Amino acid sequence: AQKVTQAQTEISVVEKEDVTLDCVYETRDTTYYLFWYKQPPSGELVFLIRRNSFDEQNEISGRYSWNFQKSTSSFNFTITASQVVDSAVYFCALIGGAFNKFYFGSGTKLNVKP
Amino acid sequence: SAVISQKPSRDICQRGTSLTIQCQVDSQVTMMFWYRQQPGQSLTLIATANQGSEATYESGFVIDKFPISRPNLTFSTLTVSNLSPEDSSIYLCSVEKLTGNTEAFFGQGTRLTVV
Repeated sequence: AQKVTQAQTEISVVEKEDVTLDCVYETRDTTYYLFWYKQPPSGELVFLIRRNSFDEQNEISGRYSWNFQKSTSSFNFTITASQVVDSAVYFCALIGGAFNKFYFGSGTKLNVKP
Repeated sequence: SAVISQKPSRDICQRGTSLTIQCQVDSQVTMMFWYRQQPGQSLTLIATANQGSEATYESGFVIDKFPISRPNLTFSTLTVSNLSPEDSSIYLCSVEKLTGNTEAFFGQGTRLTVV
């Protein structure tokens, strides 16, 4: 079975603080893909990153960085020097299984206060 | 990449009526997916729509309530029938491209309010 757990329901930080959003996944597949999406109040899903199961390299994109560790089945997302515009709900997701369906975590709502 | 156009972006409907949501992709894709996101919740897969066959529904979703059409490889519709306030949600379509690396793309979403 596939499962994605985002234990943090809501996080509040003050602008310029660093914040890490946790994501733990479960899958029996050897090939799978992990994603992070941002959902601002407008509702659309904004793609942030995709990582396949064979690539454990961490990635940095501007203020965003991702830490993928297969040993702990985690794919955590860090925002450095957070900004008010980062306020949104962030979803971690997994594609795996026979039919390539998305399995979404419950989301983490990030509030960045000025 | 794939560009998805989803319409309408939002609607307010009377209970008992139906709403049809359209999803147009700028390239041919095999599988299209429809998701529901209830207020404050995560995304839940409703069904997988393949061209030329009936949609495959997830547990808790039935064809009578959520009929889906997939007439070709670039287009799909989802109808939410016999609306009730509990159907108020965001509905999103999604496509995946399985070429080398799996990529997934989402429409802008349809925000439905049932009154």
